[in-house]
Amino acid sequence: DSGVTQTPKHLITATGQRVTLRCSPRSGDLSVYWYQQSLDQGLQFLIQYYNGEERAKGNILERFSAQQFPDLHSELNLSSLELGDSALYFCASSVGLGAEQFFGPGTRLTVL
Amino acid sequence: DQQVKQNSPSLSVQEGRISILNCDYTNSMFDYFLWYKKYPAEGPTFLISISSIKDKNEDGRFTVFLNKSAKHLSLHIVPSQPGDSAVYFCAASARNNDMRFGAGTRLTVKP
Repeated sequence: DSGVTQTPKHLITATGQRVTLRCSPRSGDLSVYWYQQSLDQGLQFLIQYYNGEERAKGNILERFSAQQFPDLHSELNLSSLELGDSALYFCASSVGLGAEQFFGPGTRLTVL
Repeated sequence: DQQVKQNSPSLSVQEGRISILNCDYTNSMFDYFLWYKKYPAEGPTFLISISSIKDKNEDGRFTVFLNKSAKHLSLHIVPSQPGDSAVYFCAASARNNDMRFGAGTRLTVKP
C-alpha cells in the first residue's frame, strides 16, 4: 500500500459525459501528479500540482482540468469524453519536486 | 517529447539468468534516475534509484548502472525470478522539476 488513494476504482460512462477522478496523496506529500496509461502504453504525464499550485503541464487535453485543494487532495476532471479517453488514470504523490513518486492503484475509465 | 526512451518494449529471459533493461535519455539536466515496476491492475511501485553523482547502485538482486556520457542507464536483475515478470518503467528528473517516464519494458521471466 503506497498510501495514495484514488476513487473510484472503476468508472464506466458514455461519450460526451464528464467525470471527476479523486486522489488523496500520502500524508505529508505536497506534490500530486496525474498520469494516463492507455492500452499498455507508457505513462503519459498529464499535470502536476505542488502545494495547491499548478507546477507543470504535460500532454493534457484542453477538455481535461485538475486542481489541488487546500487539504492537498486533487481532482482530475475529464469532460466531453471520447472513446479514446478510455484508459487507466494514475495519481502519484511525492514529498517535493523531482522526488520519488508513490502511485495510487489507478482509476480505470471506460468510455462507451 | 521523448526525453526518456526505453527502446525495447519487451524482454524474455529464463529463470535464474540475468535480465538487463535499458533506458536512454536526452536531457543533460537530469540528475536523478529511477526504475519503477508495475504489475497488471496496480500502480507502479518504486524499485531503485540512482543520482548522477554515482554510476552504480545496488539493492539485493537489483543493480542500476548510470553512464552519464552516453546518457544511458540500465537495470540488472540477477538472478531473475518468475515473480519479476512485470512492466518496468525508467524515469528521470532534474532538480526541482517534474519526472519523465519511459514507455516501459515488459519483462517475462520463464520458469
